[in-house]
Amino acid sequence: DVKVTQSSRYLVKRTGEKVFLECVQDMDHENMFWYRQDPGLGLRLIYFSYDVKMKEKGDIPEGYSVSREKKERFSLILESASTNQTSMYLCASSLSSSGANVLTFGAGSRLTVL
Amino acid sequence: DAKTTQPPSMDCAEGRAANLPCNHSTISGNEYVYWYRQIHSQGPQYIIHGLKNNETNEMASLIITEDRKSSTLILPHATLRDTAVYYCIVRASGTYKYIFGTGTRLKVLA
Repeated sequence: DVKVTQSSRYLVKRTGEKVFLECVQDMDHENMFWYRQDPGLGLRLIYFSYDVKMKEKGDIPEGYSVSREKKERFSLILESASTNQTSMYLCASSLSSSGANVLTFGAGSRLTVL
Repeated sequence: DAKTTQPPSMDCAEGRAANLPCNHSTISGNEYVYWYRQIHSQGPQYIIHGLKNNETNEMASLIITEDRKSSTLILPHATLRDTAVYYCIVRASGTYKYIFGTGTRLKVLA
């Protein structure tokens, strides 16, 4: 089974801090995704990457950046954390975009910004 | 992009079949239907997917209407561990966008 591992399950940061959320997948998937999940709003796509060093904005990219230097690793960066970025962050990966490709999710990282 | 509509919540008695409906009336011919579930504070877990035909695996069955405008996820013998939020998602082959709604909160009752 594909495993998607998120480095931290729970983080507490202060306003203005730089935050890194790391995600690693172990099955050579092409695509990787970062979502955030908030009550009543479902999952919203922040960024995705379809190859090393390639990235595309999702629906809510403001305040975030990403990095994909290696195929297996996709990082989400909050340059200056704000309280409205308190959320559950979910990383996912998929083999490719053709056909019926299934998303595999990590366990999530719950970030609190004080 | 097709969107999905699901009831916000449902209850099901333990041991009975849970039938979760999803409306995707604007689905296109190349869009797949996926079902995921999310147990509290965990990442979503894949259950099943389909394009046109009904599908079954060890977890569930997926029934897609002939016009593809709706589908039903069937958990044949619900257990307490099936209590979760269930998401119906559509995605077109060749695209990156998996559109999640707010799902159905299924509660399995003892």
